[in-house]
Amino acid sequence: AQSVTQLGSHVSVSEGALVLLRCNYSSSVPPYLFWYVQYPNQGLQLLLKYTSAATLVKGINGFEAEFKKSETSFHLTKPSAHMSDAAEYFCAVSRTGANSKLTFGKGITLSVRP
Amino acid sequence: GAGVSQSPSNKVTEKGKDVELRCDPISGHTALYWYRQRLGQGLEFLIYFQGNSAPDKSGLPSDRFSAERTGESVSTLTIQRTQQEDSAVYLCASSLSGITYEQYFGPGTRLTVT
Repeated sequence: AQSVTQLGSHVSVSEGALVLLRCNYSSSVPPYLFWYVQYPNQGLQLLLKYTSAATLVKGINGFEAEFKKSETSFHLTKPSAHMSDAAEYFCAVSRTGANSKLTFGKGITLSVRP
Repeated sequence: GAGVSQSPSNKVTEKGKDVELRCDPISGHTALYWYRQRLGQGLEFLIYFQGNSAPDKSGLPSDRFSAERTGESVSTLTIQRTQQEDSAVYLCASSLSGITYEQYFGPGTRLTVT
């Protein structure tokens, strides 16, 4: 079985500050890992994905994440927050092979203060 | 090109009624997934289609839920005898194949059962 833990439900940062959203996973097989972003009243958009290539993954909008197998983590970071980053962020895991159904964490709401 | 579309965008129904939710995947995408997002929760997997067969129905919460897919095109999710706990946003996603890890999400159908 696979699971994802996103501790806390809300993170608030100042504009220009570092963004760090934590994600830990549990998987009995090598996982593929994803971060999705959901803006208000919109569908999910893929930010970045780890599929067993480089452990440091760069995504859209300046976000990146590092896969750390020893820590079973896949934390999302951005050096400098922008007001437009305010949204809900979901970490997800899938198996390799057929049927790439996603198992999601509960999500974290990011607020950016001016 | 066109993305994943879903209809209706909003549906309000009375408890006990049946509802049908529709998903139009991206043309050429053979894999299709349904997820449910209840308030304050992450997304829950419901069902996976590869072509018009459903090799994984493990997420359907009860026998009131069913889904079908016509060829590699439209899918409908049917909920019979709706209950208040069925209130959620129902999201559909498609990908090129079941082993292609990037899923493209539709905007969702918000179902409210009164």
